[in-house]
Amino acid sequence: KQEVTQIPAALSVPEGENLVLNCSFTDSAIYNLQWFRQDPGKGLTSLLLIQSSQREQTSGRLNASLDKSSGRSTLYIAASQPGDSATYLCAVRHQAGTALIFGKGTTLSVSS
Amino acid sequence: DADVTQTPRNRITKTGKRIMLECSQTKGHDRMYWYRQDPGLGLRLIYYSFDVKDINKGEISDGYSVSRQAQAKFSLSLESAIPNQTALYFCATSDSIRIKNTGELFFGEGSRLTVL
Repeated sequence: KQEVTQIPAALSVPEGENLVLNCSFTDSAIYNLQWFRQDPGKGLTSLLLIQSSQREQTSGRLNASLDKSSGRSTLYIAASQPGDSATYLCAVRHQAGTALIFGKGTTLSVSS
Repeated sequence: DADVTQTPRNRITKTGKRIMLECSQTKGHDRMYWYRQDPGLGLRLIYYSFDVKDINKGEISDGYSVSRQAQAKFSLSLESAIPNQTALYFCATSDSIRIKNTGELFFGEGSRLTVL
């Protein structure tokens, strides 16, 4: 059974700092991996999706990498801002015909 | 207007009542999902549907049922609500990977259900 773990559960950083959020999964035979952002009481917003054949994806200040062999993905946020404060979740799709399995998320707080 | 719309957004009900949460989407996606989110437990899959005639149980389907009324509509029912079904419920959609799309997931804003 695929399990997805995100460490740390919470992270506090000052504005302007570069930071890395971690996601690990137990079964490396994934189809793709998706990173989401969730603001309190809100729905999830898709940030980046990495296919199993890709090593990384970039969108603005965000860069997500994927290392299937080690079962890890990282989300790099450059020059963090208070508006980046939210919970970040990663989710993996094991095969094309299955649903996403989610980690429990990392709650990020960026102070000004 | 949101691409994935959930109604109601908030609902308070009593134990034993029947509740239906509705989801509609304008993204033209084949696949629809229901998740629930609980503090400390993350998002867990309840049911999912890959097309109108396809319904699949997720990891926590007991106590729930679903109906895929049309490609754009997927409803979740609690036949007899109990307090431990108090949670934030999310509907999500994705395209069909069979036609070489990514299967990227898009979420509604959520329905907060409280069972007293």
